[in-house]
Amino acid sequence: KNEVEQSPQNLTAQEGEFITINCSYSVGISALHWLQQHPGGGIVSLFMLSSGKKKHGRLIATINIQEKHSSLHITASHPRDSAVYICAVSERSNFGNEKLTFGTGTRLTIIP
Amino acid sequence: EAQVTQNPRYLITVTGKKLTVTCSQNMNHEYMSWYRQDPGLGLRQIYYSMNVEVTDKGDVPEGYKVSRKEKRNFPLILESPSPNQTSLYFCASSLGPGGLTYGYTFGSGTRLTVV
Repeated sequence: KNEVEQSPQNLTAQEGEFITINCSYSVGISALHWLQQHPGGGIVSLFMLSSGKKKHGRLIATINIQEKHSSLHITASHPRDSAVYICAVSERSNFGNEKLTFGTGTRLTIIP
Repeated sequence: EAQVTQNPRYLITVTGKKLTVTCSQNMNHEYMSWYRQDPGLGLRQIYYSMNVEVTDKGDVPEGYKVSRKEKRNFPLILESPSPNQTSLYFCASSLGPGGLTYGYTFGSGTRLTVV
């Protein structure tokens, strides 16, 4: 069973600061997902990556497969970035099922 | 607009009264799945479906049933709800699995309270 750990659990920062959220997992995966959950509860997929780095606007996600570690960075953080960020890993079984295992999330609060 | 639609958004019910949470996607995705989210535990998979008439248990299937009679719909059925099923539920869909990993689209969530 894959164990997914995120750090920190809670993060408060000033507007404009550079933010890093970390995710580590215990077993090899087919892909890693970063999700964003706003206070209203809805979940949005930010990134899916299996190697290297992806960038979308002010968000950057990196993954190191050998070290079983991923980071999500937010540059020039803004109060609207306040949300819970969830790391999830995909594993594919021999029967073709793909299973997502989730971290418990990082609650990010950006203060104006 | 490509989306996963869950209904209802909020539901308060009594112990033992059967209920169904609906989930529908308009993206022709093969893979659909249900999750529950509880404080401190994160999201956990209840059931998944790889295609029409193909469903299987996830990590926490007890007390739940699903069906996949059509590709677009994947309802979650609680035959006899109990208070420990009070939770936030999410349906999600994906194009895969098909040998590759694809991104997921999540529904808006259903907050269920069983009293």
